[in-house]
Formats: sequence, C-alpha cells, structure tokens
Amino acid sequence: GAVVSQHPSWVICKSGTSVKIECRSLDFQATTMFWYRQFPKQSLMLMATSNEGSKATYEQGVEKDKFLINHASLTLSTLTVTSAHPEDSSFYICSASGARNYEQYFGPGTRLTVT
Amino acid sequence: GEDVEQSLFLSVREGDSSVINCTYTDSSSTYLYWYKQEPGAGLQLLTYIFSNMDMKQDQRLTVLLNKKDKHLSLRIADTQTGDSAIYFCAESSSNTGKLIFGQGTTLQVKP
Repeated sequence: GAVVSQHPSWVICKSGTSVKIECRSLDFQATTMFWYRQFPKQSLMLMATSNEGSKATYEQGVEKDKFLINHASLTLSTLTVTSAHPEDSSFYICSASGARNYEQYFGPGTRLTVT
Repeated sequence: GEDVEQSLFLSVREGDSSVINCTYTDSSSTYLYWYKQEPGAGLQLLTYIFSNMDMKQDQRLTVLLNKKDKHLSLRIADTQTGDSAIYFCAESSSNTGKLIFGQGTTLQVKP
C-alpha cells in the first residue's frame, strides 16, 4: 500500500514554455501533498505544502507565481513550472500523507530539463 | 532553525553491519525517519520512530534514538549490495507534517 506516482518521469522543454507535473496517490486519500526539489548530490528542498481544496503554502524563497500548485482532489496534486528557464532544471519529487499524517510517502520523481 | 546533520559517506563489506548516524537540533521533534533513495528514484520510507521510543527493530533494520543527545542511528544487519543507496534522516515536529532532511549518507557496499 501507500503508493504515490508521478507523471511524467522525465520531460525536456524549451525555455519560456510551461510544464505540468502530476502527483497521484494510488491507494489512499492524500489530505496533504508536498513538493520538493532536489539538486544533484544534494538533499531535498521543500517547495510547498498543499492541502486538498486549499491554496498551497510556499516555503520562503519559492516563487508562487512561477511554481503553480493545485490540489483539486484527495488523490491528485499538480505542479506547473511556468515560463521555465534552464535554472529550473532539476529533479522534482512529490510526497503525500493521509490519515496518518506522520507517514509521508514519496513519488518516484520527475526529471525536468529546460533547454 | 531546525537542522539535521549526517555524515556523507560510508563504505562497508557485504555481510557486515552498517551504522548510519544522524544528529538533529529540534528538541520538539516528534517523529524521526529513515528514507532510502536509489539513483534516479524517489524516496522509500524505511522506518520511523516516535520520539518517546528508544529503539525500533524491523527485520534487518534497527533504529536507536538517544533523545538526550539528539542522536539517531540506523543499523543495517548483514548488509547486501542491494542496500547501496543514499540514506536520508528526517525529523518532523509540527502538525503540518513538514519534514526536515539531512544531507544524506551514501552507503557503498563492496562485494
């Protein structure tokens, strides 16, 4: 149980375009979803926390107009990187927690490359 | 603010035990976690321990928590080559579920 999927697993886009990444909880209802960014050989940086039906809470330094997060249902959250630039290239990982909010399960990650 | 520290690298021989250490600063931590990340993949929750526990064992994994020293360790018995990965320690102290991660320890298992 507790499976989280992400789509796509990797994406290449041109500078200036927008990219949407989906995060789904497959076998549980995710009341809270988190979005992280990971640079090579580094730890995870929390970008934002989203609760179903509410606006996301962004961490300090994360541009909410650039990284749009939507958590429209208990099984789906999306991250849209708007007007992507090469510096947005990174590994984006989502996680989800349900009724037992101290258990957080991670998706497999999405590798974004902006050319 | 909260901080979680780990050593960056550990190398062991197959069949030996591995011990990965972690220290944290937040005395109000309620849960402490160990996650495993293989190359190009997401994080796999290995185990977690509630702050009022000293030890938790799950098959080959043993977690020890010294709350006084704010020290957490993960022992992997009979380490296998498939255990080679990056291991992240994390703590949570708020009801938001927000995790604070360490830098990750790369475990190299030599045959």
